[in-house]
Amino acid sequence: GAVVSQHPSRVICKSGTSVKIECRSLDFQATTMFWYRQFPKQSLMLMATSNEGSKATYEQGVEKDKFLINHASLTLSTLTVTSAHPEDSSFYICSMLEILSKETQYFGPGTRLLVL
Amino acid sequence: SQQGEEDPQALSIQEGENATMNCSYKTSINNLQWYRQNSGRGLVHLILIRSNEREKHSGRLRVTLDTSKKSSSLLITASRAADTASYFCATDLASNTGKLIFGQGTTLQVKP
Repeated sequence: GAVVSQHPSRVICKSGTSVKIECRSLDFQATTMFWYRQFPKQSLMLMATSNEGSKATYEQGVEKDKFLINHASLTLSTLTVTSAHPEDSSFYICSMLEILSKETQYFGPGTRLLVL
Repeated sequence: SQQGEEDPQALSIQEGENATMNCSYKTSINNLQWYRQNSGRGLVHLILIRSNEREKHSGRLRVTLDTSKKSSSLLITASRAADTASYFCATDLASNTGKLIFGQGTTLQVKP
């Protein structure tokens, strides 16, 4: 089955630093990738949609200058949380829409970010 | 913004019993999907039902979709302790973007 990896799985950083999270598909290609954020005991909130070769589309209320998304290739997307603050602490999950299916999203295992 | 609402928010049952979770949504959809999430982990895709389908089965899972009521239900039969997890419905809006909007989720506890 399709596998999506995320790295790192867990990161602790100091307030003010930037953190980069990688999302990579291992055995398929995806033109569209999504980034979600999940606070404890809550649902997933879509942050942004990125298509390979174009700028990401951010959901309302998500600061594009704070959450930088780079859709580098058909198998790699990165999310950089810039100047992280404690309120950015969350579980970040990526997903990829398989290029052929257009329906099936494959989710990464998530990255837990803790900002001190 | 959240599209789906799920109920119940939490459900506790004994092993062997059936568990039913409901999901309601607000706008037109291409399909509706159900996912499972174990605590602190990623999502596992369970089943997808398209807008022109009314019922779908996969193993011990049965999903129904009523587009007139904008609602779906997930039934897990003969539950096991390993089914303990959070379950989310997600709607693929009729927007051709592939975006999924997740419901609030139901936390299921199956007691051995």
